[in-house]
Amino acid sequence: QKEVEQNSGPLSVPEGAIASLNCTYSDRGSQSFFWYRQYSGKSPELIMSIYSNGDKEDGRFTAQLNKASQYVSLLIRDSQPSDSATYLCAAESGSARQLTFGSGTQLTVLP
Amino acid sequence: DTEVTQTPKHLVMGMTNKKSLKCEQHMGHRAMYWYKQKAKKPPELMFVYSYEKLSINESVPSRFSPECPNSSLLNLHLHALQPEDSALYLCASSPDHYEQYFGPGTRLTVT
Repeated sequence: QKEVEQNSGPLSVPEGAIASLNCTYSDRGSQSFFWYRQYSGKSPELIMSIYSNGDKEDGRFTAQLNKASQYVSLLIRDSQPSDSATYLCAAESGSARQLTFGSGTQLTVLP
Repeated sequence: DTEVTQTPKHLVMGMTNKKSLKCEQHMGHRAMYWYKQKAKKPPELMFVYSYEKLSINESVPSRFSPECPNSSLLNLHLHALQPEDSALYLCASSPDHYEQYFGPGTRLTVT
């Protein structure tokens, strides 16, 4: 069974700090990985996608992928209270390239 | 533009009712998805449509019936639901079966 696991939360960081969110996946055939942010009561919002080993930066967000270790991470620099949300890691796999989601990590950024 | 729209935003229905959820996108995306999300859980895939054809049905009970009338529209017909079917129903679309963009969801309550 294909699984995506995220580090258990909740995670609290002070404003301005770096938040580090981690994720592992079981399907070695997965090639595409995504981070979604979900505010309470809202739908998931795609914030990062990563397909190759290494780092990908977009503003304050950096996604990191290590396919050998089957590990994906998301770093949020200069964390803001508005970053407080649940972050979902997803890996693509299967014939229809459907997404398998992790259980999510709830992040709170303390002012 | 990555907008997926869903109607209605909220729906309350009795167990004997028949209702439909609607999802629309005008981005030319060829893959569309229905997910179900319970509180504090990740989205669970229900159905995948690729080029207007049903390609994945994740063993969803027959009281949920999807329909894709055209490439921009996805419906989910509901009949004889149970209280445990109460959840946030999310539609998503993708240009290429990679990045998926979610609509705002329909919050369904079955009484």
